[in-house]
Amino acid sequence: DADVTQTPRNRITKTGKRIMLECSQTKGHDRMYWYRQDPGLGLRLIYYSFDVKDINKGEISDGYSVSRQAQAKFSLSLESAIPNQTALYFCATSDYGGEQYFGPGTRLTVT
Amino acid sequence: AQSVTQPDIHITVSEGASLELRCNYSYGATPYLFWYVQSPGQGLQLLLKYFSGDTLVQGIKGFEAEFKRSQSSFNLRKPSVHWSDAAEYFCAVGGLNDYKLSFGAGTTVTVRA
Repeated sequence: DADVTQTPRNRITKTGKRIMLECSQTKGHDRMYWYRQDPGLGLRLIYYSFDVKDINKGEISDGYSVSRQAQAKFSLSLESAIPNQTALYFCATSDYGGEQYFGPGTRLTVT
Repeated sequence: AQSVTQPDIHITVSEGASLELRCNYSYGATPYLFWYVQSPGQGLQLLLKYFSGDTLVQGIKGFEAEFKRSQSSFNLRKPSVHWSDAAEYFCAVGGLNDYKLSFGAGTTVTVRA
């Protein structure tokens, strides 16, 4: 089984809808991250969490919120989706100061 | 501020030829450096990493990278590419006390027969 899983893998939604992307990990890491990937821009950090009670904004957090339900679970929500939030979203985990391990990604399309 | 530049957006290489992908970074302390690969429809997989020590690091799938502090570079190489190496490659920089990785924009590699 994969160490980092994301659901759903693909989602099409309409402008104004609320949507949640979920991430689970079995690596036992405390740190979890949400990124979005856009062509030509690489990966940009949306939110990160060092433990259940420690959640921080990344460089592009506007329009997004997160919830860390447990050490192993970190969800990303779009409260009112807009078309420029169409992107590939990745969840990642890491140990202190180390490399990050990525999930397979969620392709989100907002029409 | 930390940043990563990958000067080549797209590289086309013949199967069996050598490959070099460039990465330049800016970081205020001792950097941790990474190369990730993303195959179509897949997540990012770590190819190799540099934390300290020997400046030539070996990774998976026959890749290696060389850290050059004086040039702020961490270029990725492979002596002989295979068709399965067609993918997007990302260089990233972080640090011991850093909370995040900063990624370059990526280099897409196309392998022609």
